Amino acid sequence: GAVVSQHPSRVICKSGTSVKIECRSLDFQATTMFWYRQFPKQSLMLMATSNEGSKATYEQGVEKDKFLINHASLTLSTLTVTSAHPEDSSFYICSASTVPGNYGYTFGSGTRLTVV
Amino acid sequence: AQKVTQAQTEISVVEKEDVTLDCVYETRDTTYYLFWYKQPPSGELVFLIRRNSFDEQNEISGRYSWNFQKSTSSFNFTITASQVVDSAVYFCALGRNRDDKIIFGKGTRLHILP
Repeated sequence: GAVVSQHPSRVICKSGTSVKIECRSLDFQATTMFWYRQFPKQSLMLMATSNEGSKATYEQGVEKDKFLINHASLTLSTLTVTSAHPEDSSFYICSASTVPGNYGYTFGSGTRLTVV
Repeated sequence: AQKVTQAQTEISVVEKEDVTLDCVYETRDTTYYLFWYKQPPSGELVFLIRRNSFDEQNEISGRYSWNFQKSTSSFNFTITASQVVDSAVYFCALGRNRDDKIIFGKGTRLHILP
């Protein structure tokens, strides 16, 4: 079945530094990838949608200059948290769809980011 | 507006009891999808089911069953003969056909007590 690999699973960084999270589709080509954020004991909130070869679409309230998304190939999307602050500490999880309309099945294992 | 409501924040049941997790959704779309996911303490999201708006048949998969009723905009999830391993947070979600976005409910934390 379709597998999405997300790395790293955990990362601790210092305030003011940048962190890159990778989301790879291992055995399929992902035309669209989604990035979600989940604060402790809360729900998953969609941050942005990325389509291969085009700019990401950000949800309202998500700073696109802070959360840089690159979907340069059909198997890789990256989320870079720039100038991280403690309030960016969260669980970030990606999801991928194989073709339009075929979505919701496959999520990465998530990245727990702690900014100190 | 699109919305998913999971009114039960937390549920505790004793092992082997049946438990139903409620989900009510709101959408103006005629074509949409409904999902249930399990999130164990490790954090990963486990896909359980996807249903499209035109398929109201109930689904059974082992100890899991789902009841989709468009008339009440509900998509409830029942675990029969619960087990300790079922302890997790369960999310109901609504998917939009036009752009594939998924909107999650707030989740229900389920504790199965031995």
